[in-house]
Amino acid sequence: SQELEQSPQSLIVQEGKNLTINCTSSKTLYGLYWYKQKYGEGLIFLMMLQKGGEEKSHEKITAKLDEKKQQSSLHITASQPSHAGIYLCGADPSGSARQLTFGSGTQLTVLP
Amino acid sequence: SQTIHQWPATLVQPVGSPLSLECTVEGTSNPNLYWYRQAAGRGLQLLFYSVGIGQISSEVPQNLSASRPQDRQFILSSKKLLLSDSGFYLCAWKTDWSEKLFFGSGTQLSVL
Repeated sequence: SQELEQSPQSLIVQEGKNLTINCTSSKTLYGLYWYKQKYGEGLIFLMMLQKGGEEKSHEKITAKLDEKKQQSSLHITASQPSHAGIYLCGADPSGSARQLTFGSGTQLTVLP
Repeated sequence: SQTIHQWPATLVQPVGSPLSLECTVEGTSNPNLYWYRQAAGRGLQLLFYSVGIGQISSEVPQNLSASRPQDRQFILSSKKLLLSDSGFYLCAWKTDWSEKLFFGSGTQLSVL
């Protein structure tokens, strides 16, 4: 089965600083998803990457998928307290788009 | 527009009691439906998914079960709860061709 490993497990940064979260898959990724979760709430879709080398941005968040499609990074520029939460990467293990598996998440705290 | 409803938001149950969590989706037909569990400080674990009425796939053997009595209704049940069943349960849906997985707001279950 496909496993996703996220690093770091937790991250504390000062407001205004840049940060990067990584997601590594044990198998080739057919699709890599990034979600954000506020504590005790549902997940909010951020972006999805499919092609090797693909990069997408939304506001101050940029996600990349490496050429080999086994690693993705999420980069936040000039972090704000509103960026705080748990970031989870999810993968489509079979390419059937019928189910996703998720990493263990990265807890991000942004200090004002 | 599509919406997903999940209830209750919080639940405290004694060990050995039954469980029924309900999830309904509006604004779409024949969605793929999912139940995930998130233990404290950990990632999402896929419990069940369904691609149609009466069709349930179980990912993790345990004392939980799922049913899909109607196209847009997904129910998570247990006859006798265990302490280890405590966690945050999330229902989600997606279409077969869509990239996005949409999540409900979750149910925080505490088994005492």
